[in-house]
Amino acid sequence: EAQVTQNPRYLITVTGKKLTVTCSQNMNHEYMSWYRQDPGLGLRQIYYSMNVEVTDKGDVPEGYKVSRKEKRNFPLILESPSPNQTSLYFCATREWETQYFGPGTRLLVL
Amino acid sequence: AQRVTQPEKLLSVFKGAPVELKCNYSYSGSPELFWYVQYSRQRLQLLLRHISRESIKGFTADLNKGETSFHLKKPFAQEEDSAMYYCALNSGYSTLTFGKGTMLLVSP
Repeated sequence: EAQVTQNPRYLITVTGKKLTVTCSQNMNHEYMSWYRQDPGLGLRQIYYSMNVEVTDKGDVPEGYKVSRKEKRNFPLILESPSPNQTSLYFCATREWETQYFGPGTRLLVL
Repeated sequence: AQRVTQPEKLLSVFKGAPVELKCNYSYSGSPELFWYVQYSRQRLQLLLRHISRESIKGFTADLNKGETSFHLKKPFAQEEDSAMYYCALNSGYSTLTFGKGTMLLVSP
């Protein structure tokens, strides 16, 4: 089954404690991206990757890092999380014009 | 710069009533527009795209370049249509710009 998976699905952490949210896909798509979804703001792109070892900033990259060492994985790294990064995060892949979203990771930073 | 505007945060209708979720865009090139839907506690999924001119779950959307709009319509709303709807603009392979979303609530 073609899918995008994210782990963890829920995470509570404290300010400053580094965390990583993993994203994995089995569709062999070259393009992957990360979004955050906040009430009243919709989805905003954090980072995207056109292919292995190619990443670029989206609209709201501050406070985030990504890596793309292999095609199937695109982890999102928060080196020093802050409360304003409390949000719902979605990973997505893309083939042609269609994006396929993961189930989301709900993050709470205390 | 590209922009997608969904003027309504919330649209509440009764079952069987017509629905129109508004979407306006700003883009200097040739736009590709989409509607994505997010049902409660589920991931976002593509509902329809303007290039295919299809009807999905009774929804249609027509691209109006003169009015720079891509409104989503359904003649008779159903309770299961209640969800968050996002209009999105493809402004290049690297970027998909989303509107802020409209919550549709269909009451019995």
